[in-house]
Amino acid sequence: EDQVTQSPEALRLQEGESSSLNCSYTVSGLRGLFWYRQDPGKGPEFLFTLYSAGEEKEKERLKATLTKKESFLHITAPKPEDSATYLCAVQASGSEKLVFGKGTKLTVNP
Amino acid sequence: EAGVAQSPRYKIIEKRQSVAFWCNPISGHATLYWYQQILGQGPKLLIQFQNNGVVDDSQLPKDRFSAERLKGVDSTLKIQPAKLEDSAVYLCASSQTPAGYEQYFGPGTRLTVT
Repeated sequence: EDQVTQSPEALRLQEGESSSLNCSYTVSGLRGLFWYRQDPGKGPEFLFTLYSAGEEKEKERLKATLTKKESFLHITAPKPEDSATYLCAVQASGSEKLVFGKGTKLTVNP
Repeated sequence: EAGVAQSPRYKIIEKRQSVAFWCNPISGHATLYWYQQILGQGPKLLIQFQNNGVVDDSQLPKDRFSAERLKGVDSTLKIQPAKLEDSAVYLCASSQTPAGYEQYFGPGTRLTVT
């Protein structure tokens, strides 16, 4: 069964304090790994798709990386507006279903 | 480009009552998904449509949940009768085909069953 585990469950940072979120996964053939951001009361907002080990993608202060067993979301010099829950999901080969982790709730204090 | 639209945004019902949710996907997106997100959890797929047809409904509680997608565009998800454990946010998402494209989510419908 495909599984996604995210850590930590919650992370509190000071503005400008860089850190990383972890997403560990087991899947029967990875088609893609997705990162989403979810603000309270809203649906998940797409951030990145990673397809193969060694791939990296960047967007503003966020950088996502992928290995054969895990993905990291690096946040450089975060701002309070980066506060949200970050969700990781995997899509297995032969399926379009996304299997999500429980998410990491990030709080960035000014 | 308009995003995924859902209504209502909030719904409160008593157990054993019925409820229906509506979704309008992004124009041109052939694939539509319904997810259930319980508080503190990630979304869980309930059903996936490709145009009018069902691709995956393996996690849909078919004794109480039903869904349809008429004319390959709008979709409705129904719960009848509702249970307390159905309290959750119901998210609709859509994507282009073929598979591998990112899914875009609507704002969700928050259901509270009392």
